[in-house]
Amino acid sequence: DGGITQSPKYLFRKEGQNVTLSCEQNLNHDAMYWYRQDPGQGLRLIYYSQIVNDFQKGDIAEGYSVSREKKESFPLTVTSAQKNPTAFYLCASKDRASNQPQHFGDGTRLSIL
Amino acid sequence: DQQVKQNSPSLSVQEGRISILNCDYTNSMFDYFLWYKKYPAEGPTFLISISSIKDKNEDGRFTVFLNKSAKHLSLHIVPSQPGDSAVYFCAAGAGNNRKLIWGLGTSLAVNP
Repeated sequence: DGGITQSPKYLFRKEGQNVTLSCEQNLNHDAMYWYRQDPGQGLRLIYYSQIVNDFQKGDIAEGYSVSREKKESFPLTVTSAQKNPTAFYLCASKDRASNQPQHFGDGTRLSIL
Repeated sequence: DQQVKQNSPSLSVQEGRISILNCDYTNSMFDYFLWYKKYPAEGPTFLISISSIKDKNEDGRFTVFLNKSAKHLSLHIVPSQPGDSAVYFCAAGAGNNRKLIWGLGTSLAVNP
């Protein structure tokens, strides 16, 4: 079945460490997105990519980095510069050429030890 | 400034009755609106969408109404079922800009 896979589901980080969250899709979608959700909050856009080897900052990109070397993959690195990294991270993808909705993975919950 | 507002954090309805979830927006450039449903610890699931050229879109028990002059849309669920209990997010987009602006969500509880 086609879909978006985020791994791991739960991730713990020591302060000062960088961690990378994985997002893989086999939907042949051009566009991919990373969101952050905090309790009682909506989804806030971190980074997005409309095509391989290209990405743009979203509303809260500080302390995060991404790469888009392959169409299927859009990993997110949470760096030590992100002062409040504890959150639920969601990856999404969509067909860039249409008004089809974004499809989401099941998320990764990141916690600080 | 919140461009997409869901002013009711929570809503409780009886099974079999209608659930009405509301969403207001401020940006008149938005021309595409979506509703997503989200269970805890899962990603949002797309429910239904509407473009600004329409004022109603229906899919089974779910209907979305758009009032452009009031910059308001609503999601109606009829009849409501206990499995509908989840957080519902309203999102809006504009033209070729593939970014969506999200509301804060409304937590719906459907009581048996």
